[in-house]
Amino acid sequence: EAGVTQFPSHSVIEKGQTVTLRCDPISGHDNLYWYRRVMGKEIKFLLHFVKESKQDESGMPNNRFLAERTGGTYSTLKVQPAELEDSGVYFCASSQRSVAGGGTDTQYFGPGTRLTVL
Amino acid sequence: AQSVTQLGSHVSVSEGALVLLRCNYSSSVPPYLFWYVQYPNQGLQLLLKYTSAATLVKGINGFEAEFKKSETSFHLTKPSAHMSDAAEYFCAVSLTGNQFYFGTGTSLTVIP
Repeated sequence: EAGVTQFPSHSVIEKGQTVTLRCDPISGHDNLYWYRRVMGKEIKFLLHFVKESKQDESGMPNNRFLAERTGGTYSTLKVQPAELEDSGVYFCASSQRSVAGGGTDTQYFGPGTRLTVL
Repeated sequence: AQSVTQLGSHVSVSEGALVLLRCNYSSSVPPYLFWYVQYPNQGLQLLLKYTSAATLVKGINGFEAEFKKSETSFHLTKPSAHMSDAAEYFCAVSLTGNQFYFGTGTSLTVIP
């Protein structure tokens, strides 16, 4: 079974440009999460999709970030326009079942996309 | 609000020595707790998780962690370090099972 994949693995852009990150979750996983790690700091939650719906986007930094999950399969995270502080590693994770009723399911993480904004 | 503190951003141990990576959490109610490991150029891999069953949790690769409510801790241990254990380790807490709160990570170096 293929794991969570992310593309690209690295991206270097200039301030003001646009970048789109892609995440392909494990097949059949309804839940998809985006996280970000700024260098030296903790991994921070950005948002959570259940299928194609945004369940929780409380961690999105500002309106320069737009996440989509058309058709409930892969997801994209667009940063427009990029700023210097957006540099970091963006992780995507997926899990199989909803945990609205309690309990927890393992989140499987991709290798991340390292974004550098110059 | 939940938070995680990992004491020691860098830990070095000799091969064969005990590995102890510390994690303390802050939560208003008993949380779910996780340890993930990241090897170079790979994604985070689940080592083990605590979900309110047994307080001593055994994970993969010989790691285990003990949930201590009185100390709000979930330290990760392994009796004997291998060279292949060199990686970055992350402790995480979650109340809902959806949004995870991670610590800043501990980089483990194993000295031959």
